[in-house]
Amino acid sequence: AQKVTQAQTEISVVEKEDVTLDCVYETRDTTYYLFWYKQPPSGELVFLIRRNSFDEQNEISGRYSWNFQKSTSSFNFTITASQVVDSAVYFCALSEMNDMRFGAGTRLTVKP
Amino acid sequence: ETGVTQTPRHLVMGMTNKKSLKCEQHLGHNAMYWYKQSAKKPLELMFVYSLEERVENNSVPSRFSPECPNSSHLFLHLHTLQPEDSALYLCASSLRTGGPTYEQYFGPGTRLTVT
Repeated sequence: AQKVTQAQTEISVVEKEDVTLDCVYETRDTTYYLFWYKQPPSGELVFLIRRNSFDEQNEISGRYSWNFQKSTSSFNFTITASQVVDSAVYFCALSEMNDMRFGAGTRLTVKP
Repeated sequence: ETGVTQTPRHLVMGMTNKKSLKCEQHLGHNAMYWYKQSAKKPLELMFVYSLEERVENNSVPSRFSPECPNSSHLFLHLHTLQPEDSALYLCASSLRTGGPTYEQYFGPGTRLTVT
């Protein structure tokens, strides 16, 4: 069965610090998709990125970057120069054809 | 206009009541989903609809009954719920069919309390 582990339950940083959110996954499939979502206090999950299992290129989008390593089954998310507006719960998710499994989430608090 | 809307935003119901949650997407997507988010468990996928047909039912109790009359609307009918069903119910949609392999766009959720 597929599984997603986000070992960090809560992280607290001061504004402008860099922070990395860890995600480790388990699957027996060779074709799968990985996602990151952000859930601000309003409750609505916001899509951040999708990566398929054949694309190990790292990606950077503004202050956000993602490091996908199949060798360690990890898909980590780094926020550079964090801001108060980054405070939210962040979810990593793994998808195969007809199922989507989310990690338990990491609550990030960025203090001014 | 907001991509995915859900009504009501909050709902309190007794165990003998019948109520329905509504979801509407304005994104032209072909797939829609119901999720349950409770305090003690990770986000759980409940139902997947692709082109108005149910693709997946992850062993959800029969007291939850989904309905997808068209690709823009999704309902979750609730009856004889239990207190442990209290949770945030999230609706989502995605562009393509064939399962949740494409990015999903979520609504704000319905906070359900069963008394």
